[in-house]
Amino acid sequence: RKEVEQDPGPFNVPEGATVAFNCTYSNSASQSFFWYRQDCRKEPKLLMSVYSSGNEDGRFTAQLNRASQYISLLIRDSKLSDSATYLCVVNPFSGGYNKLIFGAGTRLAVHP
Amino acid sequence: EAGVVQSPRYKIIEKKQPVAFWCNPISGHNTLYWYRQNLGQGPELLIRYENEEAVDDSQLPKDRFSAERLKGVDSTLKIQPAELGDSAVYLCASSRGQTTNYGYTFGSGTRLTVV
Repeated sequence: RKEVEQDPGPFNVPEGATVAFNCTYSNSASQSFFWYRQDCRKEPKLLMSVYSSGNEDGRFTAQLNRASQYISLLIRDSKLSDSATYLCVVNPFSGGYNKLIFGAGTRLAVHP
Repeated sequence: EAGVVQSPRYKIIEKKQPVAFWCNPISGHNTLYWYRQNLGQGPELLIRYENEEAVDDSQLPKDRFSAERLKGVDSTLKIQPAELGDSAVYLCASSRGQTTNYGYTFGSGTRLTVV
């Protein structure tokens, strides 16, 4: 079983739609969680951290469910510019060191 | 602040040839990572440095891959000899400190094609 699993998609949605991505992780001791965005042929960039209480950044909302080892990302009012691959990232923080484990990513395509 | 700088941006080599990638992390970031990203996959950690010490190289194929971080700043990742399966994007990232709870910053990567 992979440490971080995501639905690869693609999710094809019209502009203005609301779309949600889910992710599960296997290490129950994981300490911190993130969503990264990766545009085609570009490096991954941090989109947002995911906190236990849930957090929101504009049109983006991230949720964490530690009991179910599940992370989600909700995008409201999708824009064409949101088209990208979204990587779910977990930090198991093993041995006291920062180490990010990436999922394979979920591809989002927003169309007019 | 300047970001993580990697070079070259692209590299095409024949199999069995050597290749090297260079990374300059963000100033003051003592932790440096090399990741490899295959097409359609997420990045996978190859090696992590704390200053000049490699603290996690369990995923580095040591028969052909080597890395160094002299003086705890710039780092070089080498493959010798390269194989067709080494074709991928090699990403360098850096972060401040061992116990940061934050994500880290990637360089733009080196896209390696082995023919």
